[in-house]
Amino acid sequence: DGGITQSPKYLFRKEGQNVTLSCEQNLNHDAMYWYRQDPGQGLRLIYYSQIVNDFQKGDIAEGYSVSREKKESFPLTVTSAQKNPTAFYLCASSISPRGESPLHFGNGTRLTVT
Amino acid sequence: GNSVTQMEGPVTLSEEAFLTINCTYTATGYPSLFWYVQYPGEGLQLLLKATKADDKGSNKGFEATYRKETTSFHLEKGSVQVSDSAVYFCALSDTAGGYQKVTFGTGTKLQVIP
Repeated sequence: DGGITQSPKYLFRKEGQNVTLSCEQNLNHDAMYWYRQDPGQGLRLIYYSQIVNDFQKGDIAEGYSVSREKKESFPLTVTSAQKNPTAFYLCASSISPRGESPLHFGNGTRLTVT
Repeated sequence: GNSVTQMEGPVTLSEEAFLTINCTYTATGYPSLFWYVQYPGEGLQLLLKATKADDKGSNKGFEATYRKETTSFHLEKGSVQVSDSAVYFCALSDTAGGYQKVTFGTGTKLQVIP
């Protein structure tokens, strides 16, 4: 079955360390997205990518970085510059950049930084 | 900019009760509208969508109608089950500058008790 795989499900890091969250899709979707979810705040867009080797900042990109070297993969690095990194991170994809295309989500990675 | 407003939760209902979760939006242009559902510890799943005014989306007994005159997309179900307990997100999506832009509401938690 096609889908989006995020790993690991839980991640623990010490403050000051960079950490990379994995996102792989086998849906052959062009567009991929990273969202951050905090209680009571809905989903906020971190970065998005419409094609390989191209990505754009979302609403809360500070302290994060991404790469898109392959169509299937869109890893997110949470750097030490991110002031409040503890959150639930969701990766998503869509078949096209058109507005009527629904998003397909992975099951998320819960990051805890202490 | 675009925005989505959902009723605050949690909403607690008895099994077989009627469900309404209100959603209103502001947007320029003609967005598509979506309802997503999130079960504990998981990512979001598409529940239903509508792409133009007066369209009705439906799935698994849930329905929502795209009302342009009232800028609303309220979610309804005639008889809820315990298994419907989850968080429900209203979202709007349009294309801006060739990129898909999705705006989410803050989510409404539904608890169904036997």
